[in-house]
Amino acid sequence: KAGVTQTPRYLIKTRGQQVTLSCSPISGHRSVSWYQQTPGQGLQFLFEYFSETQRNKGNFPGRFSGRQFSNSRSEMNVSTLELGDSALYLCASSLGTSAFYEQYFGPGTRLTVT
Amino acid sequence: AQSVTQPDIHITVSEGASLELRCNYSYGATPYLFWYVQSPGQGLQLLLKYFSGDTLVQGIKGFEAEFKRSQSSFNLRKPSVHWSDAAEYFCAVGARLGGGTSYGKLTFGQGTILTVHP
Repeated sequence: KAGVTQTPRYLIKTRGQQVTLSCSPISGHRSVSWYQQTPGQGLQFLFEYFSETQRNKGNFPGRFSGRQFSNSRSEMNVSTLELGDSALYLCASSLGTSAFYEQYFGPGTRLTVT
Repeated sequence: AQSVTQPDIHITVSEGASLELRCNYSYGATPYLFWYVQSPGQGLQLLLKYFSGDTLVQGIKGFEAEFKRSQSSFNLRKPSVHWSDAAEYFCAVGARLGGGTSYGKLTFGQGTILTVHP
């Protein structure tokens, strides 16, 4: 079974631009979560989608948004990029929305904002 | 709110030596507990998890962890470390109770970088 895939793997953007990251979950998984990883803040939860509905959201500004499609694929968007948005963005998929269900992580998208 | 503390930022051990990585959590009840490993440039891989029952949990790659409710700890151990174990290790908690802003998300510790000397 194919794992979680994230595209693109690497991205360089300029301050003020916007970016869209994509995540394809494991087949059959209906929950997708997004995390931001930085050296200073560590791994922080962004949001979770289940059956096309946002179920939970972390403490991030409204510039960070996401959505999930009917095939469970998910995208996250960051508008008006800031230097501090440079990070590894990890997507995880699971069968259900509870932490009881194991989360499988993708390799991440490395975003650099200059 | 749930939180996780990994007191050791960096640990160095010799190959073949035993290993213990510490993890303390804060949560109103017994949470779901996890240990993940991350190699450079990679995503996170689940090593083991505790949901209920036996407090000593066996995982992949020869790792085990022990849940101690009285100490709010979930320390990761390995009797003999291999050079390939060098990576960053993350302890995480997940909310057990339904609903609320914690449901479904994982809260991670800051991570412990493991260096293995030959």
